[in-house]
Amino acid sequence: QVQLQESGPGLVKPSETLSLMCSVSGGSISSYYWSWIRQAPGKGLEWIGYTDYIGRTNYNPSLKSRVTISLDTSKNQFSLKVSSVTAADTAMYYCARGDPGLDYWGQGTLVTVSS
Amino acid sequence: DIQMTQSPSSLSASVGDRVTITCRASQTINSYLNWYQQKPGKAPKLLIYAASSLQSGVPSRFSGSGSGTDFTLTITTLQPEDFATYCCQQSYSTPYTFGQGTKLEIK
Repeated sequence: QVQLQESGPGLVKPSETLSLMCSVSGGSISSYYWSWIRQAPGKGLEWIGYTDYIGRTNYNPSLKSRVTISLDTSKNQFSLKVSSVTAADTAMYYCARGDPGLDYWGQGTLVTVSS
Repeated sequence: DIQMTQSPSSLSASVGDRVTITCRASQTINSYLNWYQQKPGKAPKLLIYAASSLQSGVPSRFSGSGSGTDFTLTITTLQPEDFATYCCQQSYSTPYTFGQGTKLEIK
């Protein structure tokens, strides 16, 4: 059974960089597409971007200048970095597998941007 | 970006009812439409992919239909565990976008 687990700081200061890791177990990261999605409190889901199994990326233009998604096949992990964060980046962040349908998700990690 | 609009935004129903949720895309997305169920505090769960294909392990009371711009999710014989929020997602073109969600509540 494939499992995904997000990890990273729950509190980030404004203007700093949010960094999250997604660890994949029960399957290889060297296939499929791997996405990040976020959900602000009380709001809908927002697709951030994905990396494929060889590290090719595709980002949401609304965040593109601030987002980096990277793949580490040696550790079966992929990561998310969002730079210059503001309060608007406060959200539950999920990692997920698949394209087009996202069939496996992590449980999510809440990131709050506050000084 | 392709806008996804769901209706209704909320719905009250009883156990045993049949319900239908609609999702409309702002432009054609062929059959690149997925449906998710989300319960409070939990990650979304994939129910339907490619408009009408049932994800493995999902009960057959869930079904999806449509193509182009108009899609529906139908739940026949509602069960207590089906009360949740449902949202659609287009995967026709990036940025992938989601509907705003339909909250299904117990009447």
